Amino acid sequence: GESVGLHLPTLSVQEGDNSIINCAYSNSASDYFIWYKQESGKGPQFIIDIRSNMDKRQGQRVTVLLNKTVKHLSLQIAATQPGDSAVYFCAEFSRSNDYKLSFGAGTTVTVRA
Amino acid sequence: GAVVSQHPSWVICKSGTSVKIECRSLDFQATTMFWYRQFPKQSLMLMATSNEGSKATYEQGVEKDKFLINHASLTLSTLTVTSAHPEDSSFYICSARDRGAPNYGYTFGSGTRLTVV
Repeated sequence: GESVGLHLPTLSVQEGDNSIINCAYSNSASDYFIWYKQESGKGPQFIIDIRSNMDKRQGQRVTVLLNKTVKHLSLQIAATQPGDSAVYFCAEFSRSNDYKLSFGAGTTVTVRA
Repeated sequence: GAVVSQHPSWVICKSGTSVKIECRSLDFQATTMFWYRQFPKQSLMLMATSNEGSKATYEQGVEKDKFLINHASLTLSTLTVTSAHPEDSSFYICSARDRGAPNYGYTFGSGTRLTVV
């Protein structure tokens, strides 16, 4: 991920609307991509992951899309709820790089009631 | 599921003193643990990879003599910030990898807020 020194972009969304969070990654050799949610003062929580040989994966209220051509990852949250307010990070790792997770810049999501 | 306990959750120390942060995997053995640092409104930056029974691997730009890592057992890694200075104030997060767990086995601790005064 391209994250060093960057301040987090923000997304404000109305409760009940869908959210789309984007992430650009830099390592074309990454094997896996993971989305994490981080609430204030806490460690990251796993949301959903996707292998590099897939382009879409769905979970409960969340969908991850992977576009390897442009090195872009997105997280879609359906029917956004107040509890979804947090910072969202994409992360990537490669088995050939000792499974070290590299985090993207992150996006602060604020849900308006 | 896998749980990683990190202590303390916050600490305030005087400049020049050392602080130790513990990271424990409670219900699994973690041969590898990772230490991250996060400044306000920024992303997580990997500092080092801690391997049980061997020396830690530090990322470029991270001073190994300042950030001492010990991974003496399969369930415990410690990060000691030596001779802390105000610029070391940050949120430190550990992650342990359980190879047998889903989601690629990464579980994060709850973080330690270090403030150096």
